[in-house]
Amino acid sequence: KAGVTQTPRYLIKTRGQQVTLSCSPISGHRSVSWYQQTPGQGLQFLFEYFSETQRNKGNFPGRFSGRQFSNSRSEMNVSTLELGDSALYLCASSLAVGGGNIQYFGAGTRLSVL
Amino acid sequence: GENVEQHPSTLSVQEGDSAVIKCTYSDSASNYFPWYKQELGKGPQLIIDIRSNVGEKKDQRIAVTLNKTAKHFSLHITETQPEDSAVYFCAASSSGAGSYQLTFGKGTKLSVIP
Repeated sequence: KAGVTQTPRYLIKTRGQQVTLSCSPISGHRSVSWYQQTPGQGLQFLFEYFSETQRNKGNFPGRFSGRQFSNSRSEMNVSTLELGDSALYLCASSLAVGGGNIQYFGAGTRLSVL
Repeated sequence: GENVEQHPSTLSVQEGDSAVIKCTYSDSASNYFPWYKQELGKGPQLIIDIRSNVGEKKDQRIAVTLNKTAKHFSLHITETQPEDSAVYFCAASSSGAGSYQLTFGKGTKLSVIP
C-alpha cells in the first residue's frame, strides 16, 4: 500500500502570498489531520477532516483553512502568509475506527516564507 | 486542553546501552498514547503505541509503560544501535469527542554513540 503523499515537498513564498498544500491519504483511510512543526513550538494540531467535514480545529488563526474531497484527499490553505508561517506542514491519515486513532504521517511540505 | 510534557530534551547513550524517555499528560480522558520516531527530512513514523487498558507493551527492543494513576508513560529502548539515533515524540489522544487530535511532547533527540 502506498503511504501518505504530500505535495509539494518544498515551497518558497513571500509575505502576503497564499499557498495551498495537498495530501493524499493511505487508500481506505477517511480521516486526514494536519499539523504544523516548528523548532520552537514543536508539533501542533491544525485541523482534522473526516468524510469531507472538519471535526476538530486547533488554535490557529482563520488564515489557516482546509478541505477534504470525496476521495478523502485533503488540501490546506494559508492566506496572507507571515514570516512565522515558515514550518514543516505534516499530514496524517487514519482509518478513524473506534478505540483509538492510529495516525500515519507523510514526509511533509517544507514552507519557507521570505 | 491536553498538555504533554516530555523529558529529557536530549539524550546521549553508548551503543548497546538502554535509553528511557518519559512523558506526562494532563487530561485524564486521554486513552491512546503513541510514540513516533522522526529522522532528518522525514515525517514521524509510529514505532509503538499503548491504550489506557494496558499497562505495558513490548515490540522487540522497544517497550512502553503506562501509569494511568500518575498520568505518566515511558519509552524504553534496549540494546541501542546507531540507527536508533533520531528525534522521538510522545503523544496523547482522546477519542471521546469523535475526533482523534494528537497532542505531542516537544521531542527527545536521541544520539547513540558507536
